[in-house]
Amino acid sequence: EAGVAQSPRYKIIEKRQSVAFWCNPISGHATLYWYQQILGQGPKLLIQFQNNGVVDDSQLPKDRFSAERLKGVDSTLKIQPAKLEDSAVYLCASSLDEGTDGYEQYFGPGTRLTVT
Amino acid sequence: ILNVEQSPQSLHVQEGDSTNFTCSFPSSNFYALHWYRWETAKSPEALFVMTLNGDEKKKGRISATLNTKEGYSYLYIKGSQPEDSATYLCAFWGRDDKIIFGKGTRLHILP
Repeated sequence: EAGVAQSPRYKIIEKRQSVAFWCNPISGHATLYWYQQILGQGPKLLIQFQNNGVVDDSQLPKDRFSAERLKGVDSTLKIQPAKLEDSAVYLCASSLDEGTDGYEQYFGPGTRLTVT
Repeated sequence: ILNVEQSPQSLHVQEGDSTNFTCSFPSSNFYALHWYRWETAKSPEALFVMTLNGDEKKKGRISATLNTKEGYSYLYIKGSQPEDSATYLCAFWGRDDKIIFGKGTRLHILP
């Protein structure tokens, strides 16, 4: 079974530039998550999709961040314009709908963003 | 403000020794507690998903316990090996779909 794919793996941009990340979840996984992990912190949930609907985006800075999940499969996360404090690893994860084990998540390798 | 605390932040353990660390979480609104292992340059890997008070789960040399009434979970590693070196993350899942990760415990196994 193929895992969660993310691209690019690394990105360096200047502040005020735009950037986009792509995620392809495990086939058949209805739920997709984007996390931001700043060095020294735990991952912070930015947005959670179930199919192509948003379950939770309460921690997404909507003035600069946007995300979409086309046709309930792939997803893109965009930052426009980027700030220095956006430097982080952006993790994508997916899970099946709730089962007896309650939403076990499978993570992609992450995209490491550096804003200079 | 909901908070998930992990301790210690960092731990050095001699190869062959056993160790354990803690995840503290809010006891109200509990749905599930997840443990992940995150090795450098790899994806976080799910270890356990725990939902019931008193749950004990085991995978090889690694086990975990859950106390939802007092809001803590322990992760135990028996007979540490070099491949156990990683950051161990716990994540609290609330009934309102809130997901909160701790900062992790960074484990270093000394040869």
